[in-house]
Amino acid sequence: QQQVKQSPQSLIVQKGGISIINCAYENTAFDYFPWYQQFPGKGPALLIAIRPDVSEKKEGRFTISFNKSAKQFSLHIMDSQPGDSATYFCAASRAGNNRKLIWGLGTSLAVNP
Amino acid sequence: DSGVTQTPKHLITATGQRVTLRCSPRSGDLSVYWYQQSLDQGLQFLIQYYNGEERAKGNILERFSAQQFPDLHSELNLSSLELGDSALYFCASSVTGQPTSPLHFGNGTRLTVT
Repeated sequence: QQQVKQSPQSLIVQKGGISIINCAYENTAFDYFPWYQQFPGKGPALLIAIRPDVSEKKEGRFTISFNKSAKQFSLHIMDSQPGDSATYFCAASRAGNNRKLIWGLGTSLAVNP
Repeated sequence: DSGVTQTPKHLITATGQRVTLRCSPRSGDLSVYWYQQSLDQGLQFLIQYYNGEERAKGNILERFSAQQFPDLHSELNLSSLELGDSALYFCASSVTGQPTSPLHFGNGTRLTVT
């Protein structure tokens, strides 16, 4: 059962463009939504995370937008660069012991120069 | 560099065999996670340990087992290997073991079963 649905599976963007990756979740009890970035040959690394008490969080060119009523959150990469080419994973969880991160299936982003 | 060390980087073995993957967590991190990554399945959570005790279990097969030792390093044992077990296996660590605690991933062990 896929509780976090991520789209698109792959994305090609021109340098300088905006990359948008979307995730939808089912469990309204989720209260933590991170995005991880994975470069080829490396493990994923935390990029940015958001809690449901805010609708948007920005770190540099990366922004998470959160829509609680729609149970959706998205990652926007402004002024996309070839160095942003990577696989991006969204995830969701509830706080507390014995809670697990539920992962999306990933989006492979290619930014063309 | 995440500070998480995984060995070996590559492993090639035959069906039916048993292998052990090793992970040293980042200094100060008490929790260790194991993930399996294949092309069509994304990141599959296998198991989590916190300070030597199993904390959460995911889609880990009965042929697989893991443990976290007193020095906090962890090993993932895969036995009776099948072709479908070929994948990247990642170890991650975090300070508190809470899902809100950032995960620090190693660079993985690529297992090929022939």
